[in-house]
Amino acid sequence: DAGVTQSPTHLIKTRGQQVTLRCSPKSGHDTVSWYQQALGQGPQFIFQYYEEEERQRGNFPDRFSGHQFPNYSSELNVNALLLGDSALYLCASSRRQGPQETQYFGPGTRLLVL
Amino acid sequence: RKEVEQDPGPFNVPEGATVAFNCTYSNSASQSFFWYRQDCRKEPKLLMSVYSSGNEDGRFTAQLNRASQYISLLIRDSKLSDSATYLCVVNIGWYSSASKIIFGSGTRLSIRP
Repeated sequence: DAGVTQSPTHLIKTRGQQVTLRCSPKSGHDTVSWYQQALGQGPQFIFQYYEEEERQRGNFPDRFSGHQFPNYSSELNVNALLLGDSALYLCASSRRQGPQETQYFGPGTRLLVL
Repeated sequence: RKEVEQDPGPFNVPEGATVAFNCTYSNSASQSFFWYRQDCRKEPKLLMSVYSSGNEDGRFTAQLNRASQYISLLIRDSKLSDSATYLCVVNIGWYSSASKIIFGSGTRLSIRP
């Protein structure tokens, strides 16, 4: 049973560019959440997708957008990259059950913005 | 004030010791609580959910105190493999349009032989 997978594993971009990160959820999961984790910090919640719609959103600007596909996979798009966007981007999947639903994380994509 | 706060540590304890962490939260709409562990340069992994009645899983015990708005994690008979960062997670207002999931910054634990 494949767990959560993310691609690419590493990425280097320059300021002002745009980036797309991808996530495939664990089998049987229908909900995908995205997080940004800076060095030495806990993950910061970006947003969550369920039924191809954004259901929850953290305090991130509109430069951060996403999409969920009918097969439950998801993309995170970041426009007009800033140096401060350099971080580990984590995807987590879950089966929508309510507040106690358990999230399983992928290995993340390390983004470096130069 | 951060919505979820943890002592960053590091906690440096000998193998076999008992260690406890607390995590405080400020939003009374917080509905569910979890502890995750994260090894260096790895993704977070669920350690345990935290229930109002408290729950235990082997050497690990988690408790929730809604009145004082904190959760705790107790690790007994610590092992070298317990060395990691422990993240407190709070799910706020899950049924509302303003729901969000907040991670603490984590508590670093180092177990020495």
